[in-house]
Amino acid sequence: QVQLRESGPRLVKPSETLSLACTVSGGSMNFFYWHWIRQSPDTGLQWIGYVDSNGATNYNPSLKSRVTVSVDTSNNQFSLSLTSVTAADTAIYYCARGDPNTGSFYLCPFDIWSQGTMVAVSS
Amino acid sequence: DIVMTQSPDSLAVSLGERATINCKSSQTVLYSSNSQNCLAWYQQKPGQPPKLLIYGTSTRPSGVPDRFSGSGFGTHFTLTISSLQAEDVAVYFCQQYYTTPYTFGQGTKLEIK
Repeated sequence: QVQLRESGPRLVKPSETLSLACTVSGGSMNFFYWHWIRQSPDTGLQWIGYVDSNGATNYNPSLKSRVTVSVDTSNNQFSLSLTSVTAADTAIYYCARGDPNTGSFYLCPFDIWSQGTMVAVSS
Repeated sequence: DIVMTQSPDSLAVSLGERATINCKSSQTVLYSSNSQNCLAWYQQKPGQPPKLLIYGTSTRPSGVPDRFSGSGFGTHFTLTISSLQAEDVAVYFCQQYYTTPYTFGQGTKLEIK
């Protein structure tokens, strides 16, 4: 069965760049949408953006100026880069899959989630 | 952005009783091309990621017990647990995937009375 696992630093300094990778195991990345979502007590669950297996992206406008999501299907990974971080970016970061078979194209729910990784922004 | 509002914020129900959680969207989430409401429910237990419980308003993924059901149309939706079990203690979220940015409700905490 498909599993997702994040990797990357758990502590980032203010104004620096948060970088996380998500490794997909147990299945292909083709024909799915690959998402980043974060959760904090202040903002709840917030969708960050997605990339499809062809590299097409879609970002939350509230973060768009600072976010890049990319995919490397040869290594079964996709990545998140969030620049100029502040304390407000402290959250649990999840990667997740969207399956078009449960909806229509990119209009589909998140059917598989990673365990999540807590990233703190602090000097 | 579509705002998702859940009620109540918290709920205490006796074991074996029915639990009902409501979700309202600030605009329709009905996708006309397939006549499907783009509305999902997730269950989150402490220290775990959200788990997909219901999508398309009322479809359960494989492995989700049939005591969980979803209903609704347009802008008003409901998650019902027909007979509460101890393992159902969790926070429940609704989410719209009708348009980006996808958005979630604030969550409803379900406890045992």
